[in-house]
Amino acid sequence: KNQVEQSPQSLIILEGKNCTLQCNYTVSPFSNLRWYKQDTGRGPVSLTIMTFSENTKSNGRYTATLDADTKQSSLHITASQLSDSASYICVVRNTDKLIFGTGTRLQVFP
Amino acid sequence: NAGVTQTPKFRILKIGQSMTLQCTQDMNHNYMYWYRQDPGMGLKLIYYSVGAGITDKGEVPNGYNVSRSTTEDFPLRLELAAPSQTSVYFCASSPSRDLFNQPQHFGDGTRLSIL
Repeated sequence: KNQVEQSPQSLIILEGKNCTLQCNYTVSPFSNLRWYKQDTGRGPVSLTIMTFSENTKSNGRYTATLDADTKQSSLHITASQLSDSASYICVVRNTDKLIFGTGTRLQVFP
Repeated sequence: NAGVTQTPKFRILKIGQSMTLQCTQDMNHNYMYWYRQDPGMGLKLIYYSVGAGITDKGEVPNGYNVSRSTTEDFPLRLELAAPSQTSVYFCASSPSRDLFNQPQHFGDGTRLSIL
């Protein structure tokens, strides 16, 4: 069964600290993996996309990694800011559909 | 640059009532989608459209209907509201010729409660 699992469900960190969010998937065949950021009361916004041949990709303070062998991806946030408080959703595409993870809710406190 | 606009933002319905959730995009995107997001669950695809006049069922279409008379608009209709349809509904669009590939641009959602 195609599934995308994210951990932790929720995370609280202090401003300025780093954190890493995890995404494990059992989707087959795999086309790509995308991370979205969803602010409270808003729709998801794309952060980055990872294809099969890519190991690491950065977008500012966000760095995504992909290990296609173990079917794992991570999203690392460096020097967190209050505006990073949001849900982060991992989405995996197979041939003809998108499978959404349940998200990790991140709260950054001053 | 409005992007994807959804109305209303909030709505409370009684069981058995009907309503239409509006979605419009100004990016001239071919593909449009409707999702529902339930607490603790990933987004589920309800319906999608690859262009004006063409719609297709997604993963959870029961209880919903859609139409696509123009490129810009993709309304979602609930005919007989049921408590199980309490959810947050997101409309999205994408420009790609490859369905589901490009990043999807989401509206800010309609929060619907059915009592």
